[in-house]
Amino acid sequence: RKEVEQDPGPFNVPEGATVAFNCTYSNSASQSFFWYRQDCRKEPKLLMSVYSSGNEDGRFTAQLNRASQYISLLIRDSKLSDSATYLCVVNVGTGGFKTIFGAGTRLFVKA
Amino acid sequence: DGGITQSPKYLFRKEGQNVTLSCEQNLNHDAMYWYRQDPGQGLRLIYYSQIVNDFQKGDIAEGYSVSREKKESFPLTVTSAQKNPTAFYLCASSSTGLHEQYFGPGTRLTVT
Repeated sequence: RKEVEQDPGPFNVPEGATVAFNCTYSNSASQSFFWYRQDCRKEPKLLMSVYSSGNEDGRFTAQLNRASQYISLLIRDSKLSDSATYLCVVNVGTGGFKTIFGAGTRLFVKA
Repeated sequence: DGGITQSPKYLFRKEGQNVTLSCEQNLNHDAMYWYRQDPGQGLRLIYYSQIVNDFQKGDIAEGYSVSREKKESFPLTVTSAQKNPTAFYLCASSSTGLHEQYFGPGTRLTVT
């Protein structure tokens, strides 16, 4: 079982749609959580951190469920420019640390 | 502007040659990382460093070497021992191991 699992997609949605991605992690010692976006042939860029209380940044909402060990990302009113791969990232820290990247979920937003 | 720079953007080498990829950051971050990404694949950790003059192997360190003589710099050498060196190499930094990482623009290495 992978330490961080994401549905690879692709998700094909029309402009204006709401789309949700889920990510599960296996290590209960995971301490910090993030969503990144990666455009084709570019570096990953931080989209948002994920907090237990949930957090929102414009059209993007992230949620963390520690009991079930999953993270979600909701994108409302999808834009063509949202087309990218979305990476779930988990930091595990117990003395040392380890950052684990999910393989990513591909999103295509179509006109 | 604060950020991470990697150079060059594209690099071509012949098989059997060592090559060094540059990574510099002016974010005053303690931790720095090197990842490799193959087409359609996720990121795999090569080496990381939490502090100057110290670094640890990641999941795929064989055939690579690093140094961390300065806080700002973390160069990666791809040696001739690396069996499949052609890939997209990404450098990142973070303030600590539990904080978010920021990436440089990457170097595409092609070895023929």
